[in-house]
Amino acid sequence: QVQLQESGPGLVKPSQTLSLTCTVSGGSISSGSYYWSWIRQPAGKGLEWIGRIYTSGSTNYNPSLKSRVTISVDTSKNQFSLKLSSVTAADTAVYYCAREATTGTHVDFWGQGTLVTVSS
Amino acid sequence: QSALTQPASVSGSPGQSITISCTGTSSDVGGYNYVSWYQQHPGKAPKLMIYEVTNRPSGVSNRFSGTKSGNTASLTISGLQAEDEADYYCSSYTSSSTPYVFGTGTKVTVL
Repeated sequence: QVQLQESGPGLVKPSQTLSLTCTVSGGSISSGSYYWSWIRQPAGKGLEWIGRIYTSGSTNYNPSLKSRVTISVDTSKNQFSLKLSSVTAADTAVYYCAREATTGTHVDFWGQGTLVTVSS
Repeated sequence: QSALTQPASVSGSPGQSITISCTGTSSDVGGYNYVSWYQQHPGKAPKLMIYEVTNRPSGVSNRFSGTKSGNTASLTISGLQAEDEADYYCSSYTSSSTPYVFGTGTKVTVL
């Protein structure tokens, strides 16, 4: 069974870049036709899709974040990463990495989530 | 892209059945059979409960079922149990700028 684990700093200063990595175990990130995604959830609020990278390396981003987001993959380490630049307090949230089904229409596996706080 | 509309809260007694609605538009819920439902316990990651409107992943209790009519999808929990107390989010594929959109979330309370 696929497992995902987020890692990265829990505290980021305003205007800096948030960087998170998701390590995938139980399967190769480059096998199959899956999307690898980032989703976030501010405290007490709903889920917001940030973006995803396909097995081929192509990416899709939420237009509301597109100018600040980069998602990349490192198949040699079985990892994919998120970079979100110019962060503000509004970017404080639990960040989840996830695998989307081959249809790209739902998430079938989630990481446990990591809280990132933007504060000076 | 606007979030799908869900009731803020639904409650029921153990053993009862409850239904959570998820209302969208013809560009998402009404236009595709790609509605999914997630259960989220406090402090935990969401868990997929239903996908493609009616399908249950392996391991999910058959007490959970999904339906769709027009622009509204529904999740029914039968034989409500204490462990079902959680937040539930719907999601739908959309023809909009993001591949799918989430619902506003519903808190289920077992009385």
